[in-house]
Amino acid sequence: GQNIDQPTEMTATEGAIVQINCTYQTSGFNGLFWYQQHAGEAPTFLSYNVLDGLEEKGRFSSFLSRSKGYSYLLLKELQMKDSASYLCAVRDPYNFNKFYFGSGTKLNVKP
Amino acid sequence: DAGVTQSPTHLIKTRGQQVTLRCSPKSGHDTVSWYQQALGQGPQFIFQYYEEEERQRGNFPDRFSGHQFPNYSSELNVNALLLGDSALYLCASSLRDRGRSPLHFGNGTRLTVT
Repeated sequence: GQNIDQPTEMTATEGAIVQINCTYQTSGFNGLFWYQQHAGEAPTFLSYNVLDGLEEKGRFSSFLSRSKGYSYLLLKELQMKDSASYLCAVRDPYNFNKFYFGSGTKLNVKP
Repeated sequence: DAGVTQSPTHLIKTRGQQVTLRCSPKSGHDTVSWYQQALGQGPQFIFQYYEEEERQRGNFPDRFSGHQFPNYSSELNVNALLLGDSALYLCASSLRDRGRSPLHFGNGTRLTVT
């Protein structure tokens, strides 16, 4: 089976840094993706890791350790518009278009 | 460049009824996948279509069926609706077999079954 775990909810202050963790146990691995989803909207792609290490993309960075089954998304200089759910997803190794999603982490950014 | 579009936005149905949801993929994409997202949960894979055929299916009963048309658009049909089918149904498009290509999601159809 596929098991992807994320914290349910987090709160952080505007301008701060927050780290959202994701652990996974899947039968096979072909990349880990992070999506942002505002309430009532579509998930939008943020970042992708397939090799160990850090990928940086502006205010957002994502880290992967395949041996530990662990990833995190780092958000810097938090803005109020970053309040959203953040979804961790693992790609199926045999189907590039099939993903297994965690339940999402709801991030609340307060002034 | 239009992204993924879905219709309708919202739908209310009664138990036992049937529903059809529609999706047009992002321009240039040939593969459509459907996901069900229950409240407070992550999306769950229903099935995927390319070349007008269902290619893979998640853990969903036969009440869930679909179709892909020659223009790559797709429909999701759900028969004999249950209360538990209430969810956000997301359509995602992509290019088949592209390693780094993420899924592009539509805004979804919110289905409520009463």
